Order: sequence, then C-alpha cells, then structure tokens
Amino acid sequence: EVQLLESGGGLVQPGGSLRLSCAASGFTFNNYAMSWVRQAPGKGLEWVSGNSGSGDSAYYADSVKGRFTISRDNSKNTLYLQMNSLRAEDTAVYYCAKALGVYSNFDYWGQGTLVTVSS
Amino acid sequence: AIRMTQSPSSFSASTGDRVTITCRASQGISSYLAWYQQKPGKAPKLLIYAASTLQGGVPSRFSGSGSGTDFTLTISRLQSEDFATYYCQQYYSDPYTFGQGTKLEIK
Repeated sequence: EVQLLESGGGLVQPGGSLRLSCAASGFTFNNYAMSWVRQAPGKGLEWVSGNSGSGDSAYYADSVKGRFTISRDNSKNTLYLQMNSLRAEDTAVYYCAKALGVYSNFDYWGQGTLVTVSS
Repeated sequence: AIRMTQSPSSFSASTGDRVTITCRASQGISSYLAWYQQKPGKAPKLLIYAASTLQGGVPSRFSGSGSGTDFTLTISRLQSEDFATYYCQQYYSDPYTFGQGTKLEIK
C-alpha cells in the first residue's frame, strides 16, 4: 500500500525557515517524480515544486522560486522541501504527491502538514 | 504560466442529477489534463487523467472529455458522496497549474 507521510510543519515567523519531509513507502520511490502542492486556508490547490525520480531535475512555481528548494534522498525514500524567507502568504497545508507515471499528475497524496507564517 | 479557468465556481444540484463542470486552459495542453475531487479536511483524490482516462477504483458515473483548451468533467447521476470540490490540473508544462475549483453543493 502506498503511503506518504509529511512532517515538519509548524509556526514560523516571517523571514524564517522550515524544512518539510515526506516519507514514502509502498512503491519504488526512485522510479517516480514527486511534487509538493499547497492549499492556503479556504483556498484552492497550488502546485509548488516537483522533482524527477533521480532528483536531477527540479521545477518551481514562480511564487517560491529562489526561496524554496526541493530535494530527495532515494536511499531513505524521503522527499524534502526547504523553505526559506517565508512570508505570510506561504501559510498553507503542504501536501506531498506522487506522480502517476512520467507526468506530473498525482495518484497518491499525503495527509498534509500545516505551515503557519506569523509573528 | 498556463492559466486554468473552471466554471462554475460553485453549483447546487440534487442526488441523481447529471452535472458538468468545464475547465479551460489559456493555451493548448493537448490531453494533459487531470481532474481531482477534494472533500473538506482531506487530500485531493485523482479521478481522471489524460483528459478522459478513469483512475482505477473511480466509479464509472464520472467521465471526462476534451483536448486542446476545453475540457469537461461529467457526473452522470450524482450520489451523496459526490458533493465535494473539484479541481482540474494541467500537466503539459511546468508550473503545473490547477483551476480555482468548483464546489458542488446539495440543493
């Protein structure tokens, strides 16, 4: 059974940093692209960042480019999102999501972890 | 970035109704479109990918169509468990943008 378990969310001050983790199980992790998708309170879904199965390629939404870094440790079956220079508008539930195949549509999602940026 | 626009933003319907949600892309995306269902407090669930391919385990009352810039999600006979918010997503090119969502409510 595929499972994705996010951790690392919490309350952080504007300008601060946070690292999210997503522990994956139930599939061959390095065969699949992964992404982070967020959802601000009461709002819609926003794709944030994604990387390839090998981790060699990474992609970012314009809203986080230069501030967030996606990475993965295939030996630990874990996806990461390093978030720096956090802003109030980054407040959201962050989901990790597994690509269905070679394309970035997502067949499995974690339960989400809440990031709150506030002073 | 490709902009995805859904209509309507919200909709009231009754159990047993046939419902259609539309999604328009700001440029052609071939068939690189997915539909998701999200219920309050839960992660999204993939319903359809490649515009018209039903994800495993999804009831056959859900169907998708379209290519290029115009797409539709149809629920043939609404069931109580279908009242939720629906999102389209393009995965033709990054950033992989979502529509703003369509909230389907009970009439």
